[in-house]
Amino acid sequence: QKEVEQDPGPLSVPEGAIVSLNCTYSNSAFQYFMWYRQYSRKGPELLMYTYSSGNKEDGRFTAQVDKSSKYISLFIRDSQPSDSATYLCATSYDKVIFGPGTSLSVIP
Amino acid sequence: SAVISQKPSRDICQRGTSLTIQCQVDSQVTMMFWYRQQPGQSLTLIATANQGSEATYESGFVIDKFPISRPNLTFSTLTVSNMSPEDSSIYLCSTGQGSNYGYTFGSGTRLTVV
Repeated sequence: QKEVEQDPGPLSVPEGAIVSLNCTYSNSAFQYFMWYRQYSRKGPELLMYTYSSGNKEDGRFTAQVDKSSKYISLFIRDSQPSDSATYLCATSYDKVIFGPGTSLSVIP
Repeated sequence: SAVISQKPSRDICQRGTSLTIQCQVDSQVTMMFWYRQQPGQSLTLIATANQGSEATYESGFVIDKFPISRPNLTFSTLTVSNMSPEDSSIYLCSTGQGSNYGYTFGSGTRLTVV
C-alpha cells in the first residue's frame, strides 16, 4: 500500500463549478497535511497546509483533514480556468510524502 | 519564502554520460532536498543535503549514482551519473527552512536520456 494515495484524474469541470480533490494516507503518525499546486513545466507551490484534523479556509480554497479516517480533501469554489493544474496532496512526519497528483482542467 | 533558481531547465543527454543540476537559493537555508518526479507519479525524495555534512539518501538511491554537493547554505548540486533511459525524469530541488510544511521548489530539470 502506498503511503499517500490520490485519484490521478484527469478531472474536467466547467468554470464556476465546485471541485473536490481527495487523498487517503496510511500512517497515523502524519501530522502536517498540505496541498501543492503544480502548473505545467513548473515546480510545485504550496497552496495550503493544516496541522492535525479540521478545516482551513483561504479564499476560494478549503482544506479538510479527517485523521480518524485518514482522509484529506481540498475544495475549490467558483473554479476558474487559472485553477487548471495538477494538485498534489502531501503529508509529513519526519519527511514529506507526496501523492501522485490529480490533474484538473477548468473549462471556460 | 525562499526563491530557488534551478538550472538547466531541460537537457537531452547520451546514455553513459553525467549531468549536474544546480540550485541556488536567495537566502541561507539549513536543509535542501532533491526529488525525482516521473510521469504520472508522485515526487520521490532522493536525498537530503545539509551544509557541511554528507547527504542522507533514501532507500533505492545511492551516492555513486546521485552524488550531491552542498558547499554553502545557498547552493547545492545533484549529479546524475552514468545515465540510462530509466533516469529520464524531472528532477527538483527544494528547501523547507526546517519546517515540516513550507517547502519551496525549484522549477525543475526535465532530463531525457537517449
